Amino acid sequence: GAVVSQHPSWVICKSGTSVKIECRSLDFQATTMFWYRQFPKQSLMLMATSNEGSKATYEQGVEKDKFLINHASLTLSTLTVTSAHPEDSSFYICSASPPDSVNYGYTFGSGTRLTVV
Amino acid sequence: QQQVKQSPQSLIVQKGGISIINCAYENTAFDYFPWYQQFPGKGPALLIAIRPDVSEKKEGRFTISFNKSAKQFSLHIMDSQPGDSATYFCAASIMDSSYKLIFGSGTRLLVRP
Repeated sequence: GAVVSQHPSWVICKSGTSVKIECRSLDFQATTMFWYRQFPKQSLMLMATSNEGSKATYEQGVEKDKFLINHASLTLSTLTVTSAHPEDSSFYICSASPPDSVNYGYTFGSGTRLTVV
Repeated sequence: QQQVKQSPQSLIVQKGGISIINCAYENTAFDYFPWYQQFPGKGPALLIAIRPDVSEKKEGRFTISFNKSAKQFSLHIMDSQPGDSATYFCAASIMDSSYKLIFGSGTRLLVRP
């Protein structure tokens, strides 16, 4: 159990366009989901905490107008990179915590490789 | 105070050897310490986790040792295999209200055949 699905797994877009990444909890309801960004050979950097039915909480230094997060249901959170530029190219990963977090911990999606050209 | 410091940055071990990765934290409110394994191009996968009420947890070849007074915890991989070659991240969190995970900087492990 505790599967988090992320889509797409990779995307290439032109500079100036917007890209939407989906994160779904397949077998549990997640009131909270997390979005991370990871540069090559670096650790995961938390971008924002996505809360179902309310506004996301962004980490310091993350542009909320550029990285739009919507958590419209208990199983789906989306991250939209608006007006993407080459410097937004990165590996984006979501995670969610099943209700029985003691046993499952935080489950991560498989990640989305975004390349902006 | 929110940082989790991880060492070494990289590690090379011979097949069958023991891999040891260390982490240290400052925030005494942390009460959940997981280790994640990440292969290139994939998301991190939970390997093993520990709560501060125990000093050691073992699952197969993987063992977490936890020292609450020193605010340190470590991952031991026994009988390391080439398939264990990956990046390992320690993390810490507070297990109420789905608090965010704070990650260490990662350790790239290479197990030579």
